Amino acid sequence: DGGITQSPKYLFRKEGQNVTLSCEQNLNHDAMYWYRQDPGQGLRLIYYSQIVNDFQKGDIAEGYSVSREKKESFPLTVTSAQKNPTAFYLCASSIATVENSPLHFGNGTRLTVT
Amino acid sequence: AQSVAQPEDQVNVAEGNPLTVKCTYSVSGNPYLFWYVQYPNRGLQFLLKYITGDNLVKGSYGFEAEFNKSQTSFHLKKPSALVSDSALYFCAVRDSPYNTDKLIFGTGTRLQVFP
Repeated sequence: DGGITQSPKYLFRKEGQNVTLSCEQNLNHDAMYWYRQDPGQGLRLIYYSQIVNDFQKGDIAEGYSVSREKKESFPLTVTSAQKNPTAFYLCASSIATVENSPLHFGNGTRLTVT
Repeated sequence: AQSVAQPEDQVNVAEGNPLTVKCTYSVSGNPYLFWYVQYPNRGLQFLLKYITGDNLVKGSYGFEAEFNKSQTSFHLKKPSALVSDSALYFCAVRDSPYNTDKLIFGTGTRLQVFP
């Protein structure tokens, strides 16, 4: 079955450490996205990529970095510069060239930094 | 600037009764509207979208949504609620068919269906 796989499901880190969240898709989608979800705030876009080797900042990119070396993979690194990293992180993908193509989401990674 | 509002944090409804989850939007051009559902500790799932055409849009799991241009609303509805419909529902809007980076999500409404 096609879909988006995020790993791990839960992640615990000490403050000051960088951490990388994995996102893999086998939907053959060109576009991939990272969102952050906090209670009562909806989803906020961190980074997105519409093609391999290219990505753009979203609304809250500070303290995060991404890479897009392969079409299937879009890992997110939460750096020590991110002031409030504890959150639920969602990866998504879509067909970039189709009008109003819906987003397909992974099941998320819950990151806790102490 | 575009925005979307979900005025209710939580909606409670008895099983078998009709349900409505409200959404209002603001865009400078034509609106492209979406509803997504999220079950606990899972990602969001697409329910339905409004692009143009009929104001009543039918989607997955028996849900439908009514687009009202004069009231700038896109309320989600279901004629008969199920306990399994209990989840977090998100409305989203953009003013372009392609700019997903500009897709704005509401803060979500938690639907609780009681047996």
